Amino acid sequence: EPEVTQTPSHQVTQMGQEVILRCVPISNHLYFYWYRQILGQKVEFLVSFYNNEISEKSEIFDDQFSVERPDGSNFTLKIRSTKLEDSAMYFCAESGGVVDNSPLHFGNGTRLTVT
Amino acid sequence: QQPVQSPQAVILREGEDAVINCSSSKALYSVHWYRQKHGEAPVFLMILLKGGEQKGHDKISASFNEKKQQSSLYLTASQLSYSGTYFCGTGGTGSARQLTFGSGTQLTVLP
Repeated sequence: EPEVTQTPSHQVTQMGQEVILRCVPISNHLYFYWYRQILGQKVEFLVSFYNNEISEKSEIFDDQFSVERPDGSNFTLKIRSTKLEDSAMYFCAESGGVVDNSPLHFGNGTRLTVT
Repeated sequence: QQPVQSPQAVILREGEDAVINCSSSKALYSVHWYRQKHGEAPVFLMILLKGGEQKGHDKISASFNEKKQQSSLYLTASQLSYSGTYFCGTGGTGSARQLTFGSGTQLTVLP
């Protein structure tokens, strides 16, 4: 089964810096998501993206976050001014349809460490 | 709203059975189950779409009671490879574009 690829696998940044996390999705999937997981905790929804626009977003996804598909293939999550509490594992995911009847395929994640 | 999972953790010996429960305070259209091993991404196990539906995957099966708004995951004759954290995820109205995960159940299978 094709893999969802995320880069980098680990990113260390200083507080206040901007970071961009990247995801290369499976080509025929339509729905894209970003989730995050603080160490030892549950997987939290950030945002869903369909047809080149945001479908839904959580309270976590505030103005410092943005998502794009800049070249029609890669899917990116940008955090403009990182805070210590942004340290987490960030997972890109995708599905072939709405999540009520389609499985999520997760990438291997990017571990973001904000110092 | 986040589904509630129980128990939070379970330890069992190889060959024993376990049940993990997931319940919601709102009506469920579907329930997903995922397993996550330490340091890895969650991996899809199964989706249950209708009330009463049961699905199986090797010796892992699940049921969905739509009326009670709950789902249970059954691990039979557990193997060492079953160790990990199990998450249930719930959508919404049939066209949901976000999955909300429970807090997880950490399963440890000992030899």
